[in-house]
Amino acid sequence: AQSVTQLGSHVSVSEGALVLLRCNYSSSVPPYLFWYVQYPNQGLQLLLKYTSAATLVKGINGFEAEFKKSETSFHLTKPSAHMSDAAEYFCAVTLNSGYSTLTFGKGTMLLVSP
Amino acid sequence: EAQVTQNPRYLITVTGKKLTVTCSQNMNHEYMSWYRQDPGLGLRQIYYSMNVEVTDKGDVPEGYKVSRKEKRNFPLILESPSPNQTSLYFCASSSRPNTEAFFGQGTRLTVV
Repeated sequence: AQSVTQLGSHVSVSEGALVLLRCNYSSSVPPYLFWYVQYPNQGLQLLLKYTSAATLVKGINGFEAEFKKSETSFHLTKPSAHMSDAAEYFCAVTLNSGYSTLTFGKGTMLLVSP
Repeated sequence: EAQVTQNPRYLITVTGKKLTVTCSQNMNHEYMSWYRQDPGLGLRQIYYSMNVEVTDKGDVPEGYKVSRKEKRNFPLILESPSPNQTSLYFCASSSRPNTEAFFGQGTRLTVV
């Protein structure tokens, strides 16, 4: 079984500041990891994914995440926040074998102030 | 355009009145699933389907039914809705369960 924990239900940053959203996972076998973003009144959209290739993964809109096996983490970062980044972000984990389904974290709401 | 389409987007109904939320995908995906999203709880899987006529329970299946008679469609059925099923529902599809999931726009259901 796998699980994911997102630290902080809400994160507030100023425009131009570093964005750091934390995700820790638990998995019995090597995982696949995903970050999704949900804008108001919309479905979830894939930001980036780790599928056992490069540990530093670049996604859309300037976001990136680094897979750290020793820390069981997959934190999402962006060097400079923009007002349009305000949204809810979900980390998800699955296994890289068999027919394992996605397990989502509880989400982190990113608030960006001018 | 590749997409997952859910209908309706918004629905208000009364306790006990059967309803169906439709979901259709045009990507020829084998795997489809339903989630509900509640504040502070994230997304929880209700049911999933590996292929036509193959469905199984997710984490919170009570009070829901699904069917998969065609590859592209995966309707969610609430035979006797109750107020605790008031939620935001998402349908998703992917080529396999552990690959990128494509989500519909969501259905906001209110049961009074």
